[in-house]
Amino acid sequence: GAGVSQSPSNKVTEKGKDVELRCDPISGHTALYWYRQSLGQGLEFLIYFQGNSAPDKSGLPSDRFSAERTGGSVSTLTIQRTQQEDSAVYLCASSLMGSPQHFGDGTRLSIL
Amino acid sequence: KQEVTQIPAALSVPEGENLVLNCSFTDSAIYNLQWFRQDPGKGLTSLLLIQSSQREQTSGRLNASLDKSSGRSTLYIAASQPGDSATYLCAVPGGSSNTGKLIFGQGTTLQVKP
Repeated sequence: GAGVSQSPSNKVTEKGKDVELRCDPISGHTALYWYRQSLGQGLEFLIYFQGNSAPDKSGLPSDRFSAERTGGSVSTLTIQRTQQEDSAVYLCASSLMGSPQHFGDGTRLSIL
Repeated sequence: KQEVTQIPAALSVPEGENLVLNCSFTDSAIYNLQWFRQDPGKGLTSLLLIQSSQREQTSGRLNASLDKSSGRSTLYIAASQPGDSATYLCAVPGGSSNTGKLIFGQGTTLQVKP
């Protein structure tokens, strides 16, 4: 597609459930980023993938959060045993190395 | 640790006014600085990227300046229009290069009234 695609656009789930969020980057982009945007914290970095290098996981808030990128393209962010404080908009971005990041419209996650 | 601050948090102006949004950062050793626009329920759209060696960048009615030594950037919007209403975010790379994570300010929410 022309831009970064994220699915689902909205997700409502019960506390304690696991969720998976998907990101399809722009074709050919070697770098992929996940961010979280919440009312109290603004936009926070979560994880960064660059080519075949080990990902930068320094922004993941707890071991309940994990992400993988298969075949250097699609990425999945998984949150296990969700908590109410996980409610936020999760944004994905992709880029060519050293070039500006292009963002998707995000997944709005609500934990009941 | 790099921190980015934006002032004001919110701004409301009548159509046609020129306005300035402010961004400050604590570590001046940045590779570049970027301004983004975010519409409600949408992702971020890149507006301007200023390299560390540059003083300013212009795109249409937008002009962004960068003063690394003082840790400041401004986004100037000329002849504002209701369609400019959005949240504006500035961001700098979190490391010593232009790759990797971005550190964002909290944003300035702009409302331009017809």
